[in-house]
Parts: sequence; structure tokens; C-alpha cells
Amino acid sequence: GAGVSQSPRYKVAKRGQDVALRCDPISGHVSLFWYQQALGQGPEFLTYFQNEAQLDKSGLPSDRFFAERPEGSVSTLKIQRTQQEDSAVYLCASSPPGGRTSHEQFFGPGTRLTVL
Amino acid sequence: LAKTTQPISMDSYEGQEVNITCSHNNIATNDYITWYQQFPSQGPRFIIQGYKTKVTNEVASLFIPADRKSSTLSLPRVSLSDTAVYYCLVGAFTSGTYKYIFGTGTRLKVLA
Repeated sequence: GAGVSQSPRYKVAKRGQDVALRCDPISGHVSLFWYQQALGQGPEFLTYFQNEAQLDKSGLPSDRFFAERPEGSVSTLKIQRTQQEDSAVYLCASSPPGGRTSHEQFFGPGTRLTVL
Repeated sequence: LAKTTQPISMDSYEGQEVNITCSHNNIATNDYITWYQQFPSQGPRFIIQGYKTKVTNEVASLFIPADRKSSTLSLPRVSLSDTAVYYCLVGAFTSGTYKYIFGTGTRLKVLA
């Protein structure tokens, strides 16, 4: 079956531009996560959805970051007025029902965002 | 702040056993410990998960001591294709808030 897909794979934005990153999770996975991974670093948690409900957005670095999952499947991470420090790989992961304490997450390939 | 610490890098030779340890002092009581492998330009890939003692699957073993403040990923007989970055992932409470925390990552290089 298909895994988690993300689009675009690469995005170059001028500083101040808005961007939207898309994640298609594995069908039937209720949990969806977004992470930010800077070069040479481990992924940093951004936000978590269970179906359409955003249960945790504590990792979003500023109010310029916004995520949604309106129908409980596809999710979009939007970054407004991009800054150079937003340059990173944005990873999406999904997981089947299993409780929050189990971390078997299936990751997409990521979107590499470069802000000039 | 909750912190998850791993060695930055390790070198090994083909056929050897490799052990990578992660320390996670603030792990939440009911939380699992999960390990991931990441190749360049790819998302992390699940390797193994455990709660306590020892877990083994077809690719790795995971050793967790009784206090659960650390865990050790064991890769038997590594090959060149095991060259990658390895991360542990735990959930921990920081200032009363539950957070997912990836380790700092261990860059494993397998030499011929």
C-alpha cells in the first residue's frame, strides 16, 4: 500500500512569502504529526492531530505557523511571512490507533523548505 | 527541560554488533521507547519499540533497564547499508506538558 506522501518535495520561497505544505497520510491512520528537522539535527515536534482535532500545537514556533486537517485525512502546514530561520525539512508522520504512548509512526519523505 | 541524549557518531566494521545508547531521564511513566533509522533525504523509518526489559525483532534488539532512564539499540552483524542516523523517540513531561522528544541522533558509519 501507499505510504505517507508529502508535496512539494522541495520549496524555495522568498523571505516574507507564504507557503503551504501538504501531507497525505496512510489511509485509516487517525494520528498525524508534523515535525521540523534542521540540517544535522533530530526532528522537532510541531503539532499533532487525532482525526480532525488538533490536540497539541505546543511545538509550533510562532503564530506564523498554522496547521489544519479539516476532514481528518490530508493535512496542510502553512507558514506565513517566511523567515530564513524557517528553512528546514518539514516531516509529516501518521500512525494507526494505538494510544499516544506508542510511537510507531510512519514518516513521509519530507518537504525541504529553503527561504532566501 | 526534558532531554534525550545519544552519542553523536560511531564507526563500526561490517559483521560487528553495534550498540547505541540513548538516555531519557524524563520519560513519561507509561511511555514507550522507539528507535528510528534515517537515511539522507528520507523520513525516519521505524526500527523497534519497547516498554521495559528486552524486545527483539528481525532487525534489532532493544534493551531497557528497570529504571527506564536509558535504552540501548543493538544491531547484530551490521552491513554497509546500515550506515545511517539512528534516533530514539520518547514521550516526556516538561513543565507539566507531554511532549514527543527525538534524541540528538547517532550517525553510524559502517566500514568495509
